[in-house]
Amino acid sequence: AQSVTQLGSHVSVSEGALVLLRCNYSSSVPPYLFWYVQYPNQGLQLLLKYTTGATLVKGINGFEAEFKKSETSFHLTKPSAHMSDAAEYFCAVSRNRDDKIIFGKGTRLHILP
Amino acid sequence: ETGVTQSPTHLIKTRGQQVTLRCSSQSGHNTVSWYQQALGQGPQFIFQYYREEENGRGNFPPRFSGLQFPNYSSELNVNALELDDSALYLCASSLTAQMNTEAFFGQGTRLTVV
Repeated sequence: AQSVTQLGSHVSVSEGALVLLRCNYSSSVPPYLFWYVQYPNQGLQLLLKYTTGATLVKGINGFEAEFKKSETSFHLTKPSAHMSDAAEYFCAVSRNRDDKIIFGKGTRLHILP
Repeated sequence: ETGVTQSPTHLIKTRGQQVTLRCSSQSGHNTVSWYQQALGQGPQFIFQYYREEENGRGNFPPRFSGLQFPNYSSELNVNALELDDSALYLCASSLTAQMNTEAFFGQGTRLTVV
């Protein structure tokens, strides 16, 4: 069975600093991996996804993530945090294109002025 | 092009009652998925509808049921409500039933069971 672990339910970074949100997965087969963002009182928005091919995936709003099979990780990064990045971030995994998506518990990102 | 809309935005029900939540999918999308997001948790997959047929179901009891209409809008019905059903219910629509297709989420319906 697939599962997702997000390390840290809350992460605080200063404006302009590096953002790093950690995600580790378990999957019996090569996974499909996703990062979603949820702003207050809104639904989820896809930031980026990995299916096959290049392991460094670039998404919207300057975010990117790298699939590292040896570490079973898919950490999300952004070089310079902006106040508007404050939100909840969810890592998710699925076995294949027809399988349901399993979400992690989320990490709330706080941006300090 | 309109996005995914859900109604109502908030709802309070009593334990044992029944509730219907509604979702209008994004224009051109034939697939709708429903998720339950409890407080402090990630969304959990309830089921998916593709062209009016159920196309996959998560680990939810039969009192959670759904429907998709010819215009691809959808309903989520929950019978015999329990306190633990209190959550944000999210609807997502997509162009295809493949899970790696980008899904567009609505703002959700906040259900409180008292």
